[in-house]
Amino acid sequence: GNSVTQMEGPVTLSEEAFLTINCTYTATGYPSLFWYVQYPGEGLQLLLKATKADDKGSNKGFEATYRKETTSFHLEKGSVQVSDSAVYFCALLQAGTALIFGKGTTLSVSS
Amino acid sequence: GAVVSQHPSRVICKSGTSVKIECRSLDFQATTMFWYRQFPKQSLMLMATSNEGSKATYEQGVEKDKFLINHASLTLSTLTVTSAHPEDSSFYICSARLAPGDRDRDWQPQHFGDGTRLSIL
Repeated sequence: GNSVTQMEGPVTLSEEAFLTINCTYTATGYPSLFWYVQYPGEGLQLLLKATKADDKGSNKGFEATYRKETTSFHLEKGSVQVSDSAVYFCALLQAGTALIFGKGTTLSVSS
Repeated sequence: GAVVSQHPSRVICKSGTSVKIECRSLDFQATTMFWYRQFPKQSLMLMATSNEGSKATYEQGVEKDKFLINHASLTLSTLTVTSAHPEDSSFYICSARLAPGDRDRDWQPQHFGDGTRLSIL
């Protein structure tokens, strides 16, 4: 079945450090891929998306490129801020089904 | 944009109580809604898919008699945790699906409520 695998957290960084959170997926066909963020005590927010191979999603300085050949959708940011501290979820969607989430990666950024 | 309202945001009750959680799509019609459960520091696990006017489809391992889902209208789905026990304590999140728009660059597959934190004493 379809699944999403994320790197284990927590990820602890200093402000302005470079961030990478790895995400790989298993799916039949060509899913759409997403990154969601959950700030402490809040619900989920869509961070970025890519709907086909080689698409790059970007938002708030975060980027991720849909790599079909490596079935990956790694999240990157060049310079993290304390306010980026949150849990990040990679997710995939096949048409007609519900979003399937990875286990989430907790990011903690210190000043 | 599409807004999903989930209520209550937090509930604390005694063991054996039944608890109802509401999920409303405020400015759109949602033929399909989803219910997820999130354990502390873990991912969102899909519990069931709710289609308006028909029975919900439950994921494997989810007790349908324990977690009653009703989707009686295009804007409201409810999850009732019957005879709740401490092991049912969790964060429950609903979401509603919009039809994808080819020209809608802000399209999201599902719009999420803010979640309900359920604590059973």
